[in-house]
Amino acid sequence: DAKTTQPPSMDCAEGRAANLPCNHSTISGNEYVYWYRQIHSQGPQYIIHGLKNNETNEMASLIITEDRKSSTLILPHATLRDTAVYYCIVRSPGTYKYIFGTGTRLKVLA
Amino acid sequence: DAGVIQSPRHEVTEMGQEVTLRCKPISGHNSLFWYRQTMMRGLELLIYFNNNVPIDDSGMPEDRFSAKMPNASFSTLKIQPSEPRDSAVYFCASSSEVGLENEQFFGPGTRLTVL
Repeated sequence: DAKTTQPPSMDCAEGRAANLPCNHSTISGNEYVYWYRQIHSQGPQYIIHGLKNNETNEMASLIITEDRKSSTLILPHATLRDTAVYYCIVRSPGTYKYIFGTGTRLKVLA
Repeated sequence: DAGVIQSPRHEVTEMGQEVTLRCKPISGHNSLFWYRQTMMRGLELLIYFNNNVPIDDSGMPEDRFSAKMPNASFSTLKIQPSEPRDSAVYFCASSSEVGLENEQFFGPGTRLTVL
């Protein structure tokens, strides 16, 4: 599976959009981009995933560049409860392994 | 659905003792995963079961670790004998069908401290 690169930490003001970037320059054509987050002391929680097209659900939006070498997770109106470590993972549909990197520690500030 | 259930939530034991962690996956899920999380190594996959059969145990650190899944609704991870370096948070996750896009659902974890 492709490696991902994320900034180690970010701050965001409450109510503003949080944009979390992820680089995955070696991604293969059939590999999906997944985002999970881990709130302190809890198990990781699925947020969203995509292949090529931008995706949106009730939690977030995922923007994938046309060359698929990078993506951005957008939390449109961040709240204090969104403070967590966010993991960007690429995975092919034929495999079961998620390789969790170090993620981005997002702190939402009041 | 109650989600993935793990027990105990916290376990403190002394070096050399046997430790058993338990997991109940989400009903209907046929894939189960055990992970370990430490500050030094992050979140690591230990073992993966599909339809109650261990498929990949390459992440199990050594022979002191063993995992079983006697039926579709129960799995155990056993450490015998335990050592202080086994102190970590152990997560169980389940998924409805590996190979597709389906996400993994994680339990709340068991925080293990070995003194």
